[in-house]
Amino acid sequence: AQSVTQLDSQVPVFEEAPVELRCNYSSSVSVYLFWYVQYPNQGLQLLLKYLSGSTLVKGINGFEAEFNKSQTSFHLRKPSVHISDTAEYFCAVSSYTGRRALTFGSGTRLQVQP
Amino acid sequence: ETGVTQSPTHLIKTRGQQVTLRCSSQSGHNTVSWYQQALGQGPQFIFQYYREEENGRGNFPPRFSGLQFPNYSSELNVNALELDDSALYLCASSFPGTQNTEAFFGQGTRLTVV
Repeated sequence: AQSVTQLDSQVPVFEEAPVELRCNYSSSVSVYLFWYVQYPNQGLQLLLKYLSGSTLVKGINGFEAEFNKSQTSFHLRKPSVHISDTAEYFCAVSSYTGRRALTFGSGTRLQVQP
Repeated sequence: ETGVTQSPTHLIKTRGQQVTLRCSSQSGHNTVSWYQQALGQGPQFIFQYYREEENGRGNFPPRFSGLQFPNYSSELNVNALELDDSALYLCASSFPGTQNTEAFFGQGTRLTVV
């Protein structure tokens, strides 16, 4: 069984400030890790994914995430946010094998203020 | 390359009724997964279809059922609707492979049960 915990339900931040959205996971098997973004009234868009290799993963729109196996974390960061980054962000995991269904966290609402 | 499309975008049903939601997968993708996203929560896995067969199911009752057609499009059927079935229903398509792990999501169908 797998579970994902997103530690902050809302993160307010001023424009051009850095931000970190936290994600911890639990799994009895090896997993792939993902971050998705959801804009209002839209589906999910993949920001980045960790499959293997370098623990620092770069994604779209200037986002990056670091996989920490010992702490079972996959925190998302951006050095300077824009108003347009205001959205809901979801961390997700899927197992290496089998159906690879995604298990999502409850989401973090990023609110970028001018 | 066409993306994942879902229909309808919105609908309202009465408790006890039945509903069918539709999904056209991205070109070349043979796997479709369905997720339920209640308001303020992360998506939850309902089930997955691979080559017209159910390939895994989440913690949802049998009144949630599905189909996948030879062209890999899919339907989600929900019988005996309950108020708690009100949610955004997301379809995701993928082509599972050793390194191909990305699921592409549609815009979703917003179901309201009254």
